[in-house]
Amino acid sequence: GAGVSQSPSNKVTEKGKDVELRCDPISGHTALYWYRQSLGQGLEFLIYFQGNSAPDKSGLPSDRFSAERTGGSVSTLTIQRTQQEDSAVYLCASSSGQGSQPQHFGDGTRLSIL
Amino acid sequence: TQLLEQSPQFLSIQEGENLTVYCNSSSVFSSLQWYRQEPGEGPVLLVTVVTGGEVKKLKRLTFQFGDARKDSSLHITAAQPGDTGLYLCAGPRDAGNKLTFGGGTRVLVKP
Repeated sequence: GAGVSQSPSNKVTEKGKDVELRCDPISGHTALYWYRQSLGQGLEFLIYFQGNSAPDKSGLPSDRFSAERTGGSVSTLTIQRTQQEDSAVYLCASSSGQGSQPQHFGDGTRLSIL
Repeated sequence: TQLLEQSPQFLSIQEGENLTVYCNSSSVFSSLQWYRQEPGEGPVLLVTVVTGGEVKKLKRLTFQFGDARKDSSLHITAAQPGDTGLYLCAGPRDAGNKLTFGGGTRVLVKP
């Protein structure tokens, strides 16, 4: 499809395990964003990529969270030693550049930590 | 404390009624965006307002940006069940275009 694709759509794992979330942005979009959304709440910014570099990682909650982007396309968000408070929907968005370009969101990965 | 405050948090109305959702901040934003999100899906952009005092209409939805660019409102006329969803306002915080979101307003339109 032509939209932002995220996988898996749902992930249930035990506390202490590592998880990896994937985002395929819209082809040609240079900017990519990760957000986190707790149940029914607004979105919390995590990290922003321009190309393969991450000029803004200010939203990552702890050093257990990391993200990378390769080939200016696919991005992975990794959470190590998961905790119950990491349970949330993780949303990825992409846009064609900086400024006021609209962001297009994927449907998110619902992460549940048991 | 959120940079963008939305009110109310929840709104339940009957089909055909009107509703208004507010988005307020103490900070000036270069633009504000409104999104609607349905369960299990990502937010979908409805509109971007850029100019202070701007009014944009999208069918039954009217969006207004405050003169000082610190607040915005979304008014829905003759709401329909299809308008049900989580409405989010968001604004860019810096040149990187990362968005700061309000806490959202959950709207339920009953048939």
